[in-house]
Amino acid sequence: QSALTQPPSASGSPGQSVTISCTGTSSDVGGYNHVSWYQQHPGKAPKLMIFDVSERPSGVPDRFSGSKSGNTASLTVSGLQADDEADYYCCSYGGTYNVFGTGTKVTVL
Amino acid sequence: QLVESGGGLVQPGGSLRLSCAASGFTFISYAMSWVRQAPGKGLEWVSAISGGSEVTYYGDSVKGRFTTFRDNSKNTVFLQMNSLRADDTALYYCAKHILHGSFDIWGQGTMVTVSS
Repeated sequence: QSALTQPPSASGSPGQSVTISCTGTSSDVGGYNHVSWYQQHPGKAPKLMIFDVSERPSGVPDRFSGSKSGNTASLTVSGLQADDEADYYCCSYGGTYNVFGTGTKVTVL
Repeated sequence: QLVESGGGLVQPGGSLRLSCAASGFTFISYAMSWVRQAPGKGLEWVSAISGGSEVTYYGDSVKGRFTTFRDNSKNTVFLQMNSLRADDTALYYCAKHILHGSFDIWGQGTMVTVSS
């Protein structure tokens, strides 16, 4: 149950795109199509942005997209907006556990 | 909606029981998890319980010390925390599953501080 590995930080200018990686193992990310992504603003609860690798919940803009290749999942935020500045966490199902990523702080320059 | 309660200050080695009251959805139909976040740190999954309490799962760091259970007649899920340590200090969220590893509704959290 080791935490999934994410880069500590990522940044982009308004309108640009940023992609965050999330690396696990064949027991979690690579073994199941159950990877989700959460956005967390300071002092707030996390918000589900992507589930099952690439599915968006109702209300989440299509600027947010997810993908997976092998043991690494990715979240892409296109058309960056000021409100996208937040911490982002991936999460994977692992059969008998769930495991979060280490988190990535996204800065909009 | 999810509303957590029961947090507070407890001495190392002590116990605490957290509660999470749910409303607005058919509670028994969904698994529930507890997720914690230490001050200034990332999210850590703690435990999960199936809708009918058939199965429970725990993170390695709490296995053997924490127990999760639910009362579907009261739409409430609980986290019993024993043998608390300083590194259990965190904001504890409950979260509703939609699918494996996906949580669509979160509470605002209840703070647990373990200190002498």
